[in-house]
Amino acid sequence: EAQVTQNPRYLITVTGKKLTVTCSQNMNHEYMSWYRQDPGLGLRQIYYSMNVEVTDKGDVPEGYKVSRKEKRNFPLILESPSPNQTSLYFCASSLKGDEKLFFGSGTQLSVL
Amino acid sequence: GQQVMQIPQYQHVQEGEDFTTYCNSSTTLSNIQWYKQRPGGHPVFLIQLVKSGEVKKQKRLTFQFGEAKKNSSLHITATQTTDVGTYFCARRGYGFNKFYFGSGTKLNVKP
Repeated sequence: EAQVTQNPRYLITVTGKKLTVTCSQNMNHEYMSWYRQDPGLGLRQIYYSMNVEVTDKGDVPEGYKVSRKEKRNFPLILESPSPNQTSLYFCASSLKGDEKLFFGSGTQLSVL
Repeated sequence: GQQVMQIPQYQHVQEGEDFTTYCNSSTTLSNIQWYKQRPGGHPVFLIQLVKSGEVKKQKRLTFQFGEAKKNSSLHITATQTTDVGTYFCARRGYGFNKFYFGSGTKLNVKP
């Protein structure tokens, strides 16, 4: 089944404790991206990647890192999480030449 | 800027009533996408509009792209409880994989 898989689904952590949210897609998509969703603000793009080893900042990249060492994986790293990073996070992928986004199931992160 | 404004923020309707959400931009859009997110779920692609004045239908859903390509709407005829969710429009920014989403319209349908 074609899908974007995110883990974990829920995560509660404390300020300053490094964490990684994983994202994997099995559709051989070139493009992958990360979004955060906050009430009243819609989805805001954090980082995106056009292919392996090619990443760029979205609208709200501060406090986040990403890497794209393999085509299928695009992890989101929070080196030192803070409470304002409490949010619902979505990974998405799309095929080059097709702008339709496929989203993962989301990761609800709470930073205490 | 590159943001898209979406209204209304919330809409409560009785089952069987119609529903419309609007998406507006201050600049011309190359295209506009619509997504639906069920409660507790993830956004799911509905449609992409590209041409000026384009109208597309999916069963009870009608999508329109304005003549000036600065606004779009999603209209649902005779809502059902399965229509409950948040509807987002999205525009592409500069750069192929850069997207800007509207704040969404949350639809609640009372049976």
